[in-house]
Parts: sequence; C-alpha cells; structure tokens
Amino acid sequence: DAKTTQPNSMESNEEEPVHLPCNHSTISGTDYIHWYRQLPSQGPEYVIHGLTSNVNNRMASLAIAEDRKSSTLILHRATLRDAAVYYCILSNAGNMLTFGGGTRLMVKP
Amino acid sequence: GAGVSQSPSNKVTEKGKDVELRCDPISGHTALYWYRQRLGQGLEFLIYFQGNSAPDKSGLPSDRFSAERTGESVSTLTIQRTQQEDSAVYLCASSLSRFSGNTIYFGEGSWLTVV
Repeated sequence: DAKTTQPNSMESNEEEPVHLPCNHSTISGTDYIHWYRQLPSQGPEYVIHGLTSNVNNRMASLAIAEDRKSSTLILHRATLRDAAVYYCILSNAGNMLTFGGGTRLMVKP
Repeated sequence: GAGVSQSPSNKVTEKGKDVELRCDPISGHTALYWYRQRLGQGLEFLIYFQGNSAPDKSGLPSDRFSAERTGESVSTLTIQRTQQEDSAVYLCASSLSRFSGNTIYFGEGSWLTVV
C-alpha cells in the first residue's frame, strides 16, 4: 500500500493561512489523494480530494505536485474550529482508506 | 440529515459479554466500512463490504469479531466475549462505490467501554 508521511504537529495563528504538507513518494497512477480531519470526540470529516490537478472547495485548497509525490492542504484563514488532526490518505483499489498518524494542527488565538 | 448513523452512541459492557453495534449507511451507498480507534490512536481498518461481493475481512483482529450486511443496507458489527482491549470507538463509513475517487462519509462512532 502506498504510504504517506506528515509532520506530527503544526501550529498556526488564527486568521492566518496554514499549509499542511504530505509526502507520498510511492503513489501509483490511479491513487487519489484524500484529506480528512478529525475533531476531538468526532468521526473523521471529509475535507478535499484530488487526482492530478489542484482542487478548491469551500473548506480548503489542495495543491498537488506535478510528479504527484507530494501535496499540500491549504486552509486560507485558520480559525479555532480548524484545530484537529488532519489525515492525508491515498485511496487504493476498493477505496479503502489507510489512516496514518496525521498532523495535529493547533490554532492560537 | 442523511448521514451515516450509528447506534448505540455509547455502550458500557462487562468483560465476557457480547455486543452488537449497528450502522445505517447513507442511502444508495454500496460500500460500507468499519474502523476501530483506540483512545489517542489512529484508525484501524476492520472490514469492508461492497454490494453483494464477499466482504474484505482482513482487518478483523480475532475470530471474536464478525460483521454482517444485508444487501446495501444496515450492517452489524458483533464482538463476542468482549475483552478490555476491545474498548475503543467503532466507526462506520460509507461511500457510493468502491471507486477510489468517491468521498467516504463517517458516522460519529459507537464508543465501547469494557469493564
């Protein structure tokens, strides 16, 4: 299974942009890159996903490197409610998500 | 709302008892997943159902764990002779199909405590 590597934790100030990196050097051509986040005591929540092109939605933007070996989740203006564990995941055949450790994002007021 | 629904939300059971956890996927979703998350840890895959195909049970930790799903509807995860190490939140998720570009939607989980 293709694996992802993320920093264990990051800090951000409220109202500032946050760039959460993810490395996936063994990604295959058909793997989609998914991002989920998990707030305390809640189930994971879908954030965004993409294949090759950069993607934008109301929650975030996803920037995918040209060689697809890395990607960056961009939160344009962090709020206190964005404090969560962010998971970068590659979906394999069967769309089974294998969750790694994720990045714990702390947002300071 | 039409999200993934799980019950019970919380369950406290005595060691050695059996428990059943229920998941109602989003209507029309053919793929259904069960995950386990111990306190402070990441999600562990347990089992996956896709339509009428044979389920992928590769993540079930022991033969005390089993799951069923009737067609494309409700799923039940059963843990027999519960042990304290089974204490965790059990998360159910569903997606339209097994296509890797589909979004997977998670329920809020069933919190199991074995005393």
